[in-house]
Amino acid sequence: QKEVEQDPGPLSVPEGAIVSLNCTYSNSAFQYFMWYRQYSRKGPELLMYTYSSGNKEDGRFTAQVDKSSKYISLFIRDSQPSDSATYLCAMSASGNTPLVFGKGTRLSVIA
Amino acid sequence: DSGVTQTPKHLITATGQRVTLRCSPRSGDLSVYWYQQSLDQGLQFLIQYYNGEERAKGNILERFSAQQFPDLHSELNLSSLELGDSALYFCASSVVERGDEQYFGPGTRLTVT
Repeated sequence: QKEVEQDPGPLSVPEGAIVSLNCTYSNSAFQYFMWYRQYSRKGPELLMYTYSSGNKEDGRFTAQVDKSSKYISLFIRDSQPSDSATYLCAMSASGNTPLVFGKGTRLSVIA
Repeated sequence: DSGVTQTPKHLITATGQRVTLRCSPRSGDLSVYWYQQSLDQGLQFLIQYYNGEERAKGNILERFSAQQFPDLHSELNLSSLELGDSALYFCASSVVERGDEQYFGPGTRLTVT
């Protein structure tokens, strides 16, 4: 079992839809959870950062962490064509442990 | 723009050759991380440096090496290149020794022919 599992998609939605992206993980030591957005041929861009369990909201984006289920989600409200990208989840334990990334979900928002 | 710079943007070279990729972290960031991204493997952590010292190693091949210089820029050296080394190589930096908030550069696309 991989440490971090993420459905690669592709996921195609109409403009204005609510998008739900998810990752599951197996390492209960993970405490820091991140979502990155990567446009084609560009570097990943940090979108959301959450410590431990709970929700965090930033504009149209909401990140949720459920440590008991080892499950994290990213919700995008009122999705726009400019949201079309690959979304990568990443996580780490405390200290100097490196980030472990999911393989990414490719999202297309159709106008 | 994350503030992390990488050169060159593209590199085409032949099998068996050696190349050097360069990264300059964001101003004030002491940690530098190198990643390899390929279609089938996703984003794989290679190595981390903090203030000039190696801090963590991931799936880095023995043919690959890295260092961080006193001015905090870092170089990733890839030698005896193979076709399978063709990938995007990203550098990221963070302000603290912990890698929880990393900012990525634009990447170097390496093609080995």
